[in-house]
Amino acid sequence: AQKVTQAQTEISVVEKEDVTLDCVYETRDTTYYLFWYKQPPSGELVFLIRRNSFDEQNEISGRYSWNFQKSTSSFNFTITASQVVDSAVYFCALSEDQYSGAGSYQLTFGKGTKLSVIP
Amino acid sequence: DVKVTQSSRYLVKRTGEKVFLECVQDMDHENMFWYRQDPGLGLRLIYFSYDVKMKEKGDIPEGYSVSREKKERFSLILESASTNQTSMYLCASSTLQEGVYEQYFGPGTRLTVT
Repeated sequence: AQKVTQAQTEISVVEKEDVTLDCVYETRDTTYYLFWYKQPPSGELVFLIRRNSFDEQNEISGRYSWNFQKSTSSFNFTITASQVVDSAVYFCALSEDQYSGAGSYQLTFGKGTKLSVIP
Repeated sequence: DVKVTQSSRYLVKRTGEKVFLECVQDMDHENMFWYRQDPGLGLRLIYFSYDVKMKEKGDIPEGYSVSREKKERFSLILESASTNQTSMYLCASSTLQEGVYEQYFGPGTRLTVT
């Protein structure tokens, strides 16, 4: 069975600090996909990034960066120089490969990390 | 841009009422999903549908049913609402893109059952 663990329930940082959100996953599949979503107070989940299991390169997008380490089954998310607009709940999610049958339609979500950025 | 809309942002119903939550997507996606979100529990899948008139139970289907008569519309039905169904309900749709089914979410419906 698949599982995603976000051990940090809530994090508070002061504006301009860097913050890392942890994500650890479990899967028996050799091919899978990992996602991060942001849920601002308005409620809608916003897609941030998708990574497949064959691509272990780290990715940077502006102030956001992602560190994928297959050896530790982790896909951590770092926000550099945090801003108040980064305050949200962040979800890490896992999906099976498209050829895995009905399970490939589904996302397994972590329980989310609530980030509060204090001005 | 993919657009997933939900019929209401906020809804208040009484215990025992029949409740319909509607979700519509405009991108011809074959898959649609209903989740509920509760503090400390994350998102839990209630039902999903991979085609018109097809449905599959998710992790917590008890107390819910669904209907998908048209490809763009997926309805969640609470036959007899109870207070423990007070929650945030999120709808999503997906299609195969670059080898993966990426989900797009609606804005959510915050349901309160009194």
